[in-house]
Formats: sequence, C-alpha cells, structure tokens
Amino acid sequence: SQQGEEDPQALSIQEGENATMNCSYKTSINNLQWYRQNSGRGLVHLILIRSNEREKHSGRLRVTLDTSKKSSSLLITASRAADTASYFCATDEYRSGAQKLVFGQGTRLTINP
Amino acid sequence: DTGVSQDPRHKITKRGQNVTFRCDPISEHNRLYWYRQTLGQGPEFLTYFQNEAQLEKSRLLSDRFSAERPKGSFSTLEIQRTEQGDSAMYLCASSLAKTATNEKLFFGSGTQLSVL
Repeated sequence: SQQGEEDPQALSIQEGENATMNCSYKTSINNLQWYRQNSGRGLVHLILIRSNEREKHSGRLRVTLDTSKKSSSLLITASRAADTASYFCATDEYRSGAQKLVFGQGTRLTINP
Repeated sequence: DTGVSQDPRHKITKRGQNVTFRCDPISEHNRLYWYRQTLGQGPEFLTYFQNEAQLEKSRLLSDRFSAERPKGSFSTLEIQRTEQGDSAMYLCASSLAKTATNEKLFFGSGTQLSVL
C-alpha cells in the first residue's frame, strides 16, 4: 500500500515558471526522498531530507519537510522542458516489522515550451 | 561506473508460463530491492535483501513469486504460472546501507512484463 500522497496528481506549467509539488504521509519517518521518473524508465534520486531537517537545496530544487504536519514539498525553480517527468516522494518508515522505503503515487509534471 | 542493470528490458509471455528476471546491482552495494509499478502508479515494494539475506517480503507477493540473491551479488525474481494481473514494470534498485535506514536508491531501467 502507498504511504505518501502527492498533490497535485498532474501539473502543467509554462517553461520558466516554478513548479511546486506536495507530499503527505501518515507515520513517523527517518527520512523523506524525492525521485524523478521519465516515461518508461527507472527512477532517479533527486534529494533526501532527514526527519530533523526542515529545508534542503540542490541546484534548482528546494525541499521542505514539516514533521508536525507530516508533509513535504518539492519546488523546482525556473522550469525547463527537460523537467517534464513524474515526481515521487518516498518515506523511510518502519512498517510490518521491517524498515522500508515506501513511494507515493506521484505527480506528473509537464513543462510547456 | 556501471549502474544497476536489469535483463530483459521487455518480456512478453503467455498466461501460465514462468518468467525470470535478473538484476545486477552496483557492485559495492549491500542492499537490493524489488519494486513493481503499474501505469500511473508509484512503485510498490515487493522485497529486499541485505547481502544474501531476504529481509522482508510484501504481502503483495503470492507464493508464485520468489526472489533470490545468491552470494549477495545479482538477484533473480521468478514468477510462476503468470497471470494477466502480473503485467507491470518490475524495478530493481540497490543501495549502500550502513544502518537499518533506507538511504538513496539507485534504480535500474526495469523489466516491462506483458502477460497475454
């Protein structure tokens, strides 16, 4: 079963605009990760934020984590056509007796040139 | 620097046949994961290994599914008596884990299974 829920499910913006995706989860976590997936390919790790961190940056990416609200956001600034992909959050959690990385259903991002 | 490789990339089979997929992780990685992904959904956890030990197996996996990682190197995922509902992308990932926490995963390109 999925843990994170991404919002929105789909997002379409113009090139150069900023894109914001949100992720909510239900249980306590060690860390939260964001991945990107181009159509028909495997996932690529973007950024990891630990439960004791509130914000992290990597290039044009900014991730925030609010453990009190059990939510995270991924901001992509100055979007490019090449950013078109699906984006998934994944939470490292203890579930059913084992530590697992559980993915949400993703946000499908389209950047229009 | 080789990444995670999966073979085959595509597999078409008839219902009732057995299929086997292979995953070669990044050589120094001790943890290996299998996920399944259907169209428009996120990856669903199937199982993972710490070296050669299978630490967890999802309830999603029926008795028709079996995974191995002999000698803690490559891994195979076998599906016996395939059903149309098994059609999906099967993703393998590996990581270098020093604690129980799951860190950054490196994914292969996946094996797309179609059961006719």
